[in-house]
Amino acid sequence: AQSVAQPEDQVNVAEGNPLTVKCTYSVSGNPYLFWYVQYPNRGLQFLLKYITGDNLVKGSYGFEAEFNKSQTSFHLKKPSALVSDSALYFCAVRADGGATNKLIFGTGTLLAVQP
Amino acid sequence: EADIYQTPRYLVIGTGKKITLECSQTMGHDKMYWYQQDPGMELHLIHYSYGVNSTEKGDLSSESTVSRIRTEHFPLTLESARPSHTSQYLCASSPTGNQPQHFGDGTRLSIL
Repeated sequence: AQSVAQPEDQVNVAEGNPLTVKCTYSVSGNPYLFWYVQYPNRGLQFLLKYITGDNLVKGSYGFEAEFNKSQTSFHLKKPSALVSDSALYFCAVRADGGATNKLIFGTGTLLAVQP
Repeated sequence: EADIYQTPRYLVIGTGKKITLECSQTMGHDKMYWYQQDPGMELHLIHYSYGVNSTEKGDLSSESTVSRIRTEHFPLTLESARPSHTSQYLCASSPTGNQPQHFGDGTRLSIL
């Protein structure tokens, strides 16, 4: 069965420092991986996805993610954090062969960027 | 620039009432989804739809029901609301293929 894990409930980082939000996955077959961000009282916003190709995926708002097949990880990164990046981040993996595009979400990681 | 709309955004209502949460998308997506999310917590899929007249239950059991009579519209109904239904409900849609889901801003439901 497909699954995704976000081992950190919260990540704290100072503004201007690099940030990493961790995600590991378990899938049968090729992984289809996504990162979403959720701001307070809003829905989820798509940041980036990995389907195939380069292991470093670039997304919105300066975020990128590194796909590592041997470690089954898909960590979200940003070189220089902003206070406005403070939000809840979800990693997701596609649940099946694509017939439904259902996603399985991780439990979320709260990113807090201190000024 | 949201193309998926949920109404109402907030609803406080008494126990026993019938509630319908509206979700509409203008992107022509075939697939639509309802998630339940407690504040700051993980999402649980409660319903999804492949297209018109197709609905399926999700991974989390829910007393709610859904319908899909038109491509753009995917309402969720609670026949008799209870305090245990208090939560945030998020609607999403996606096209076919390996494309991401698009989310509405949610309905925060409080049952007194």
